[in-house]
Amino acid sequence: AQSVAQPEDQVNVAEGNPLTVKCTYSVSGNPYLFWYVQYPNRGLQFLLKYITGDNLVKGSYGFEAEFNKSQTSFHLKKPSALVSDSALYFCAVRGRGGGNKLTFGTGTQLKVEL
Amino acid sequence: DTAVSQTPKYLVTQMGNDKSIKCEQNLGHDTMYWYKQDSKKFLKIMFSYNNKELIINETVPNRFSPKSPDKAHLNLHINSLELGDSAVYFCASSQSTGTGAVGELFFGEGSRLTVL
Repeated sequence: AQSVAQPEDQVNVAEGNPLTVKCTYSVSGNPYLFWYVQYPNRGLQFLLKYITGDNLVKGSYGFEAEFNKSQTSFHLKKPSALVSDSALYFCAVRGRGGGNKLTFGTGTQLKVEL
Repeated sequence: DTAVSQTPKYLVTQMGNDKSIKCEQNLGHDTMYWYKQDSKKFLKIMFSYNNKELIINETVPNRFSPKSPDKAHLNLHINSLELGDSAVYFCASSQSTGTGAVGELFFGEGSRLTVL
């Protein structure tokens, strides 16, 4: 069975500082990995994904994530946080078998303060 | 032009009633999903359809019945509603499925169901 862990319920960062939202995963074989963001009372929006190739993936709004196979991690990062980045962030994993079942983590609330 | 649209956005109803949520996508995707997000924001897949064929059916009570009249629509009907069904239900779509085909999900805005 595939699973995702987001160990932090909430991450607080000052605006302008770098941010990291952690994610580790468990899946058979090589993973497909995703990050989504959810603003209050909205649906999830896709940020970025890792499929294959370069371990550093760049996505929307200046976010990036680094795939680390040995640590089974896919942490989300941004060099300089904005107040408008405050939202709920979900990491998700899918195995490479048939079907498209995406398993989500429990979410990390990011709060960026002035 | 909304890519994945769900109706209604809000639904308040009594226990025991039957209700439906409709979803339509105009992205030309061939796979659609229903996800349930509970009060703690946990997201869990319920169903997935690929070209009108059911491909994922998680351990969801029989009171929940999805229906896909065509690949652009996926509706969710819930019979005999219970208090525990209160949640936000998200419809999503993606392009392709199967080995090697990886499309990100596009989500609707959600339908908040409150059962009294």
